[in-house]
Amino acid sequence: QKEVEQNSGPLSVPEGAIASLNCTYSDRGSQSFFWYRQYSGKSPELIMSIYSNGDKEDGRFTAQLNKASQYVSLLIRDSQPSDSATYLCAVTGAGNTPLVFGKGTRLSVIA
Amino acid sequence: DAGVIQSPRHEVTEMGQEVTLRCKPISGHDYLFWYRQTMMRGLELLIYFNNNVPIDDSGMPEDRFSAKMPNASFSTLKIQPSEPRDSAVYFCASSFRRSGASSYNEQFFGPGTRLTVL
Repeated sequence: QKEVEQNSGPLSVPEGAIASLNCTYSDRGSQSFFWYRQYSGKSPELIMSIYSNGDKEDGRFTAQLNKASQYVSLLIRDSQPSDSATYLCAVTGAGNTPLVFGKGTRLSVIA
Repeated sequence: DAGVIQSPRHEVTEMGQEVTLRCKPISGHDYLFWYRQTMMRGLELLIYFNNNVPIDDSGMPEDRFSAKMPNASFSTLKIQPSEPRDSAVYFCASSFRRSGASSYNEQFFGPGTRLTVL
C-alpha cells in the first residue's frame, strides 16, 4: 500500500515569513511529485511539480526533493494571508501509476 | 479555455436513490480521473480512464459504484443505491501526456460535486 504522509497542521506562520511544508512517501520507486493547494470549499490546484533530486523554484515557491530520504518539501517565501490553505502532496508510484495524495497540511498565515 | 466542468455542484438525496455525477474534461486531455474526498480519508482515486477506456477501477468502493466514459468529452459516475456513507465531495480531473514527458499526472481538477445522502 503506497502511502504519502503529511503533518495535518495547522501550521501557523506570520506574514512575510517562510512556510515549510513537508511530505514523506513510502514507495521508493516513485517518479513524480506534486504540490497542490486547496482553499476551503474549492478544488485542488496544481502549484508545483518536481521530478529530479534538488530544488525547483517558481516565484515564491520552492519544491525540494530528496529521493534517497523519500522526502519532498515545499517552501513558501514571503508568506501572505492569501497563502492560507491546505497543501496536498501527491506522488506517483513506479511505472508511472496514478497519483497518491497525502491528507494535506493546513497552513495559516497570520497578518 | 474552459476547465473541467462538473455537474451538479451540489446534490442532496435520500438513501436508496440513484445518483449520477457528470464530468466534461478539458478538450484534448486523454486521461480522466474520478476522486472522492472526505475529512477522514482525504482524496481517494476511484477510477481512471485513458482514451475513454477504464484502466484501473480498484478504488471503486463497492459494486454500487459504476463509471462510464462514452466519448472523449463526457464521463459519468453513478451510485445506485446511495447510502449516507457515500456523502463526500466528488472530483473529476483530467490530464494529458506531454510529448517527451515522463508523467501524465499534471492533473487539473473540476470544481467538484458535494453529495449529501440523507
